[in-house]
Amino acid sequence: QQPVQSPQAVILREGEDAVINCSSSKALYSVHWYRQKHGEAPVFLMILLKGGEQKGHEKISASFNEKKQQSSLYLTASQLSYSGTYFCGTEETRYNFNKFYFGSGTKLNVKP
Amino acid sequence: DAGVTQSPTHLIKTRGQQVTLRCSPKSGHDTVSWYQQALGQGPQFIFQYYEEEERQRGNFPDRFSGHQFPNYSSELNVNALLLGDSALYLCASNGGGSGTNEKLFFGSGTQLSVL
Repeated sequence: QQPVQSPQAVILREGEDAVINCSSSKALYSVHWYRQKHGEAPVFLMILLKGGEQKGHEKISASFNEKKQQSSLYLTASQLSYSGTYFCGTEETRYNFNKFYFGSGTKLNVKP
Repeated sequence: DAGVTQSPTHLIKTRGQQVTLRCSPKSGHDTVSWYQQALGQGPQFIFQYYEEEERQRGNFPDRFSGHQFPNYSSELNVNALLLGDSALYLCASNGGGSGTNEKLFFGSGTQLSVL
């Protein structure tokens, strides 16, 4: 079941903060976040697991509310390099062998 | 250390033709997944190969088939191409034998245009 991301697009000035949300109608085991720059491959940012474990990027934080089946990605003091499209990928069971359902993406544009 | 490599980078085909896309996983990875990414959309899971067998499959018709070789590289074949098959096809690899919590390493993709 494909998760829903919001907002669809965000425009920021350098130094501003942003929150990107990911919501599923299904119970989730894990949420992964990726960033894709135009013409490039998606790059891993963060894994959030049921039970609270997180693995990922030093300067980007995220939360995972298992009961609400939601995750949020927090981008603080944004830099120009943060521009790109952010995707959340969800796993519904523990042994799903990384079969992800990706959201349709949030396009972030950071301006000087 | 080479990452995930895909070939070709761009491809133009006509309706009804067949196409083969290729992927070499990151060194040390044994699992390859294929995704279809339409313009402005997120990647959609096609299937995953592990130990030369299809382990998982998404909601794609049988026109989409694949193969994994002993060196873990993989091919995606699409038969009887439709206009709607035009998309960026991404290959992703991970050391997914355990099946859990593995981040994906993506290739840059093959842009397929069907005319």
